[in-house]
Amino acid sequence: QKEVEQDPGPLSVPEGAIVSLNCTYSNSAFQYFMWYRQYSRKGPELLMYTYSSGNKEDGRFTAQVDKSSKYISLFIRDSQPSDSATYLCAMSDRGGGSEKLVFGKGTKLTVNP
Amino acid sequence: EAQVTQNPRYLITVTGKKLTVTCSQNMNHEYMSWYRQDPGLGLRQIYYSMNVEVTDKGDVPEGYKVSRKEKRNFPLILESPSPNQTSLYFCASTRGTGLGEQYFGPGTRLTVT
Repeated sequence: QKEVEQDPGPLSVPEGAIVSLNCTYSNSAFQYFMWYRQYSRKGPELLMYTYSSGNKEDGRFTAQVDKSSKYISLFIRDSQPSDSATYLCAMSDRGGGSEKLVFGKGTKLTVNP
Repeated sequence: EAQVTQNPRYLITVTGKKLTVTCSQNMNHEYMSWYRQDPGLGLRQIYYSMNVEVTDKGDVPEGYKVSRKEKRNFPLILESPSPNQTSLYFCASTRGTGLGEQYFGPGTRLTVT
């Protein structure tokens, strides 16, 4: 089983829809969870960053972490065509001095006007 | 302007010909990292550095070398490139331990024939 699993999609939704993106993971030591957005031909940019379990909201974006289920989610409300991008989850455990980051494969999202 | 720069942006080379991809950041960040991104495999960490003269392997270090002699620079060296190293490479930097916001460079598309 890979450390981080993410459905690659592609996911296509109409403008205004609520989008749910998810990742599962196997390493129970992961404590830091991030979501990145990557536009075509660009480097990833950080969207959300959470530590341990719980929810975090930033505008139209909400990140959820459920450590008991080893499951993280990113919700996008009132999706816009400008949200069309690939979304990558990433996580780290910082165990033993390691600062390795493990990324999911990314989910390609298209929001249709 | 805060940024991470990579050079070259595009490179076509032949098997076995040593090459270096440079990475530089102007934000005085401690943590720098190299990733490769491949279709179906996502973003995978090659090497990272937590500070000058401190480097460590990521998930896919084979065939690569790095050095961190100055805080701002983190070159990626391919001593003897092979076709399986054809990929899109990203350099990233973060203030502190690397678990905050990573700033990604624009990417280097490498083709090894």
